Amino acid sequence: AAGVIQSPRHLIKEKRETATLKCYPIPRHDTVYWYQQGPGQDPQFLISFYEKMQSDKGSIPDRFSAQQFSDYHSELNMSSLELGDSALYFCASSRQEETQYFGPGTRLLVL
Amino acid sequence: AQKVTQAQTEISVVEKEDVTLDCVYETRDTTYYLFWYKQPPSGELVFLIRRNSFDEQNEISGRYSWNFQKSTSSFNFTITASQVVDSAVYFCALSERRLGNEKLTFGTGTRLTIIP
Repeated sequence: AAGVIQSPRHLIKEKRETATLKCYPIPRHDTVYWYQQGPGQDPQFLISFYEKMQSDKGSIPDRFSAQQFSDYHSELNMSSLELGDSALYFCASSRQEETQYFGPGTRLLVL
Repeated sequence: AQKVTQAQTEISVVEKEDVTLDCVYETRDTTYYLFWYKQPPSGELVFLIRRNSFDEQNEISGRYSWNFQKSTSSFNFTITASQVVDSAVYFCALSERRLGNEKLTFGTGTRLTIIP
């Protein structure tokens, strides 16, 4: 069965640089979620999209933005990167009232 | 506001022993979902189970079983005859039922180590 695809899997950036993470949801899933998991921590909700519209926002810094495109893939744009942004970023997708399935994550390291 | 508490930070058991991971949750909603996810050392989040708040039946899947008790707001997870491959961090999570947004609130996780 198709799974959530995230790219890149690993990313190394310098402070103050920008990064773009991509997520391709499972086909026919209408909702996409982004989560951030710092080292040794639990995943924290950042933002979600339902049918290409932002549906909720969590603890997402103003330096971050995201969108969902007409083909349902989503991108998380991160600017002015800080050391504290180093984390594992997960994308998850679901259909309404069904289970969220997670992608493999993008491991971002900011130096 | 939702909250999930996993009081056990780390657990170690010898292979073949049974182990129970505790999860206590708080929510003001009457309709919600409870989840368990496994995160092995490779880092991915693997879905294990989803439970609707209206369904208090316990569930068994192979060596895994879950005990949902609404009266105590608990959703505990038991692994029977543990194996080394069960070593991972296990997260309990909660979502409220919202159209277009059923974001997950995670507990802090329990790191389970199975000793050969």
